[in-house]
Amino acid sequence: ETGVTQSPTHLIKTRGQQVTLRCSSQSGHNTVSWYQQALGQGPQFIFQYYREEENGRGNFPPRFSGLQFPNYSSELNVNALELDDSALYLCASSSGLADRYNEQFFGPGTRLTVL
Amino acid sequence: GNSVTQMEGPVTLSEEAFLTINCTYTATGYPSLFWYVQYPGEGLQLLLKATKADDKGSNKGFEATYRKETTSFHLEKGSVQVSDSAVYFCALNSGGSNYKLTFGKGTLLTVNP
Repeated sequence: ETGVTQSPTHLIKTRGQQVTLRCSSQSGHNTVSWYQQALGQGPQFIFQYYREEENGRGNFPPRFSGLQFPNYSSELNVNALELDDSALYLCASSSGLADRYNEQFFGPGTRLTVL
Repeated sequence: GNSVTQMEGPVTLSEEAFLTINCTYTATGYPSLFWYVQYPGEGLQLLLKATKADDKGSNKGFEATYRKETTSFHLEKGSVQVSDSAVYFCALNSGGSNYKLTFGKGTLLTVNP
């Protein structure tokens, strides 16, 4: 069973640019959540996708957007990058919304640096 | 809103010492509680969880008991090893429509031989 994978591992961008981060969910999982982890902080919830629809959003501006594909993989897009967007971006997949006890399985993250 | 407060780190212990990392929470309803561990350069791994009051989660020698009366979920281990060095995050999931996790800021644990 393949776990959650993310690409790229590291990324360097400049202010104002746009970035796309990718996540492949674990086999059998239809729910993907994205989190932002700033240096020295806990992860903050960005949004969640369930069966290709956004299902809940944290306190992030609209320039953070996402997609989920029919195979349940997902993308996180960030437009007009700001210095404060520098962080580790984590993707987590789980097997569905129906059970709040479902474990969320995390990928290794993408380290984004904005210069 | 929901929040998690963890003991400030870093925590430095000698091998075989007793570990406690305090965690308290504020949440509506009856949240599920979790401890995640993050090893250097890696993503988060679930260490243990508890889904209702008085439940005890345990894994790899770590334990935490869901205390509703004190809104706490303290992590303990009787004898730490060098390999336990990592950042530990307390988190809660209060249900609702998207079951997002709310995390504490994390506690860095360093275990010296």
